[in-house]
Amino acid sequence: DTGVSQDPRHKITKRGQNVTFRCDPISEHNRLYWYRQTLGQGPEFLTYFQNEAQLEKSRLLSDRFSAERPKGSFSTLEIQRTEQGDSAMYLCASSLARTSRLVYNEQFFGPGTRLTVL
Amino acid sequence: KQEVTQIPAALSVPEGENLVLNCSFTDSAIYNLQWFRQDPGKGLTSLLLIQSSQREQTSGRLNASLDKSSGRSTLYIAASQPGDSATYLCACGTASKLTFGTGTRLQVTL
Repeated sequence: DTGVSQDPRHKITKRGQNVTFRCDPISEHNRLYWYRQTLGQGPEFLTYFQNEAQLEKSRLLSDRFSAERPKGSFSTLEIQRTEQGDSAMYLCASSLARTSRLVYNEQFFGPGTRLTVL
Repeated sequence: KQEVTQIPAALSVPEGENLVLNCSFTDSAIYNLQWFRQDPGKGLTSLLLIQSSQREQTSGRLNASLDKSSGRSTLYIAASQPGDSATYLCACGTASKLTFGTGTRLQVTL
């Protein structure tokens, strides 16, 4: 399978613990995105990378959240001092974006990591 | 700030019916619009992408239209099947991100 993969698929943690999620994009894709989805809502944008550069962060991404894409391939999303409000599905997407042809920028999503904070 | 609305929130139809899902958005300065399908507890599957200059896009039994000037898109599903049961999400694309609606939950009954 050459789609977007995410690990773990499920994570249960206690309030105050740190968690880290991993995303492996489609291999030739230069952009990688993180979204968060709560029950009954559509996904909300958190941040995105073009290659290894983090180009935009949402206000939703508080100081407790950090994302990296060190070699322009996989990415990690870390949440420090988790709170019950962080419980959500964390979705990763990737795309092959050409600056001159962003109208064709189709994002492909992974299966998500479901986080439950007790 | 872009706001995306999907109506209805839920829809139940008998197998074989044709149906239309609606999506409206407030900011017409979009690069594209994507329709996705999401099964319970799963990730999103991309169904169709319409570029900002296109009026419609077709894939199999699916047809999506886009009217940027009025801030509307529709997803037409022909000859619905029980396997089409899922939540359908539309998302407006800018240079950097997608802004999603809350989805339409579709149930196709036998």
